[in-house]
Amino acid sequence: QVQLVESGGGLVKPGGSLRLSCAASGFTFGDYYMGWIRQAPGTGLEWVSYITISGTKFHADSVKGRFTISRDNAKNSLYLVMNSLRAEDTAVYYCARDFAAGAASWGGFDIWGQGTMVTVSS
Amino acid sequence: QSVLTQPPSASGAPGQRVTISCSGGSSDIGKNYVFWYQHLPGTAPKLLIYRNDQRPSGVPDRFSASKSGTSASLAISGLRSEDEAVYYCAAWDDRRSGLLFGGGTKLTV
Repeated sequence: QVQLVESGGGLVKPGGSLRLSCAASGFTFGDYYMGWIRQAPGTGLEWVSYITISGTKFHADSVKGRFTISRDNAKNSLYLVMNSLRAEDTAVYYCARDFAAGAASWGGFDIWGQGTMVTVSS
Repeated sequence: QSVLTQPPSASGAPGQRVTISCSGGSSDIGKNYVFWYQHLPGTAPKLLIYRNDQRPSGVPDRFSASKSGTSASLAISGLRSEDEAVYYCAAWDDRRSGLLFGGGTKLTV
């Protein structure tokens, strides 16, 4: 079935780095724009990054210069490299698929992973 | 602080109708599609409405949405206990080249 499975979360010290992965299955990964969205404890959803089919990247101002989204269509995988982590980056990170195959809806994510927890603490 | 403004809470009795508002600006809602998500604790968010007023297959027609100018709203009729969730609006912002989420509205039935 169509699914996304995140991995790579964990506990990291402030200033540290982490790489999140998202394995896609059940659909043609290379046909879809993909994104990362996070939810910090007790707060709402916050968009983090978007990547187009061709690899053009968009990042939220709060992570620009520190986080980088990427994809490997041959491996059906999405990644988020997070550097210079801060306490405020502590959150559940979701990868998600933009529903508009071959294009982008720029906000409509129809398939979500279960989320992976990232905790930034000394 | 979210750029898209939603009321923090809403409530209604079973069977009633409730609306949730989402207010933005000229570079986000004013120019782009609005999306609505339903988020239950411990689960992944669910796409409820796309492109302002369209329902994905499987979403009951009790859920409807509209957009006017720089504001949007989600309406839920025939409230059920399983509708208790947090609802988020979202829209792309051309000025920031980024996706904005509202702060979320916790619905109590």
